[in-house]
Amino acid sequence: EPEVTQTPSHQVTQMGQEVILRCVPISNHLYFYWYRQILGQKVEFLVSFYNNEISEKSEIFDDQFSVERPDGSNFTLKIRSTKLEDSAMYFCASIRGRGNSYEQYFGPGTRLTVT
Amino acid sequence: AQSVTQLDSHVSVSEGTPVLLRCNYSSSYSPSLFWYVQHPNKGLQLLLKYTSAATLVKGINGFEAEFKKSETSFHLTKPSAHMSDAAEYFCVVSARNNAGNMLTFGGGTRLMVKP
Repeated sequence: EPEVTQTPSHQVTQMGQEVILRCVPISNHLYFYWYRQILGQKVEFLVSFYNNEISEKSEIFDDQFSVERPDGSNFTLKIRSTKLEDSAMYFCASIRGRGNSYEQYFGPGTRLTVT
Repeated sequence: AQSVTQLDSHVSVSEGTPVLLRCNYSSSYSPSLFWYVQHPNKGLQLLLKYTSAATLVKGINGFEAEFKKSETSFHLTKPSAHMSDAAEYFCVVSARNNAGNMLTFGGGTRLMVKP
């Protein structure tokens, strides 16, 4: 069964460094998402992406964040200058289309630790 | 705007006994509602979804949930718990009656199953 994959599974970085989290959505999916979950807190929506542009973003997704689909398979989340509070589990998701017959498929997550 | 409240952060049951995980939601629109499960070090897996069809929804692994609009609830049940059901469960609502929109998560319920 096709699945969403994410790399790395765990990333440790120093405050102020740039990180790129990578996701490979399911191949025939058209909509892509990033969510994050700070330890002990809810899973929160960050951004959705369709047709090579951001379609929706939350207040969390400020100028430090960016997303890109550099080729036909990868979907990346970049954090330009990491802060301690960016430490969280980051989930990528994708969906084939919009409407009730579809569901969002999630990857296993990348645990980002900022020291 | 929409929100989800999972009434119990932890639920402990004995193997073979019923499971009840409670969820209440609020939504400005006719909602789509989901239950996702997360096993340790795994991604989020869809258990079941409600998308304005039958109010009693059956999912995988013997789980089901009933949408009650008058109570704004979508509780998850299973007649008989199995050890493999031990995991974190998330009740989730979409912004509209449309699975392609951003998802709003509840805080999660950790289900523990005792032998």
